[in-house]
Amino acid sequence: SQKIEQNSEALNIQEGKTATLTCNYTNYSPAYLQWYRQDPGRGPVFLLLIRENEKEKRKERLKVTFDTTLKQSLFHITASQPADSATYLCALDRTSYGKLTFGQGTILTVHP
Amino acid sequence: DTEVTQTPKHLVMGMTNKKSLKCEQHMGHRAMYWYKQKAKKPPELMFVYSYEKLSINESVPSRFSPECPNSSLLNLHLHALQPEDSALYLCASSQDWVGTSVFNSPLHFGNGTRLTVT
Repeated sequence: SQKIEQNSEALNIQEGKTATLTCNYTNYSPAYLQWYRQDPGRGPVFLLLIRENEKEKRKERLKVTFDTTLKQSLFHITASQPADSATYLCALDRTSYGKLTFGQGTILTVHP
Repeated sequence: DTEVTQTPKHLVMGMTNKKSLKCEQHMGHRAMYWYKQKAKKPPELMFVYSYEKLSINESVPSRFSPECPNSSLLNLHLHALQPEDSALYLCASSQDWVGTSVFNSPLHFGNGTRLTVT
């Protein structure tokens, strides 16, 4: 069956360090992968999209990699800040027709 | 603040009530979505509308009835819900039309309606 796994339910790091979150998938061949941030009581906010023919994408302190051989995406936040504390969700389109499916999320806590 | 507006923010309803959730966007997006999110779980897709037509229904029970009156509005009509339907209901929109060969628009979410069924 198709699965999306974010293999850390929670990640605690110290301010200034790099946070690395992992998203693994099985039995998919997604054309792209998206990352979202969700704060408590609010809807997810889009962060980055990476396509299958892209190895890496950057936006300010954020970096995403996409390895279709390993079926894995890594999401990095460099120079992390307490304000980066949130739940981070990866999402894949199961069908290329807009059926965006989310991983269970990783709760990131950045300690001052 | 998000560009997708959902009302009400909170709703408490009994199992025999009929209520509606509303969603509005003015970004010119042609695809709109309903997602359901339970506590500590990811959002789960319920319905997708593209160009005001229902494109995807993820086998949602008929007690949930979506409606898209125009390209900016999306409603979710609720009737005879069960306590297990209590959740955060999220609306989203995207620029691309579901069904295009390369659909890769990000979703813009509202902040949801917190629904409690008693």
